[in-house]
Amino acid sequence: EAQVTQNPRYLITVTGKKLTVTCSQNMNHEYMSWYRQDPGLGLRQIYYSMNVEVTDKGDVPEGYKVSRKEKRNFPLILESPSPNQTSLYFCASSLTPPGSKSSYNEQFFGPGTRLTVL
Amino acid sequence: GNSVTQMEGPVTLSEEAFLTINCTYTATGYPSLFWYVQYPGEGLQLLLKATKADDKGSNKGFEATYRKETTSFHLEKGSVQVSDSAVYFCALSDFQGAQKLVFGQGTRLTINP
Repeated sequence: EAQVTQNPRYLITVTGKKLTVTCSQNMNHEYMSWYRQDPGLGLRQIYYSMNVEVTDKGDVPEGYKVSRKEKRNFPLILESPSPNQTSLYFCASSLTPPGSKSSYNEQFFGPGTRLTVL
Repeated sequence: GNSVTQMEGPVTLSEEAFLTINCTYTATGYPSLFWYVQYPGEGLQLLLKATKADDKGSNKGFEATYRKETTSFHLEKGSVQVSDSAVYFCALSDFQGAQKLVFGQGTRLTINP
């Protein structure tokens, strides 16, 4: 089954304790992205990757890191989490970037990771 | 910069009612427009999309038309069902600079039997 998986689905942690949220897709997509969803703000992009070893900042990258060593995986790293990073996080992937005018720019989203930082 | 504005929610309707969720956008160039749906506890799923002016996207009884003159992409359905209860997001593709979707704030829809 074609899908985007995220782990963990739920996480409660404390300020300053490093954590990683994994994201994996099995559709051979080149483009991957991380968003955070906050009430009243919709989804905002954190980082994105156009291909292996190619990553760039989105709108709200502060406090986050990413890596793209393999095409299928795009982990999100919080080196020193703070309470303002409490949010619902979504990973997404597509064959071509969302801005392309191709038929393959549909973003496939993972189920989400609800993170609480105390 | 580019932005999307959706009608304020939540929206509550009775089954078989007509649905409209308003969406307007601000963008340079010619973005593609999307509606995504998020069912409780799940990720977002693409509902429909339109890539150029006057295109109509449709799926599962939902429709939206890309109106460049009014910069709008309103979502409509003629007869809603309880199973349509979800959060709906309007989005546009931003191809200038960062490659991303720009989302509206979402509209929570509840359909009562």
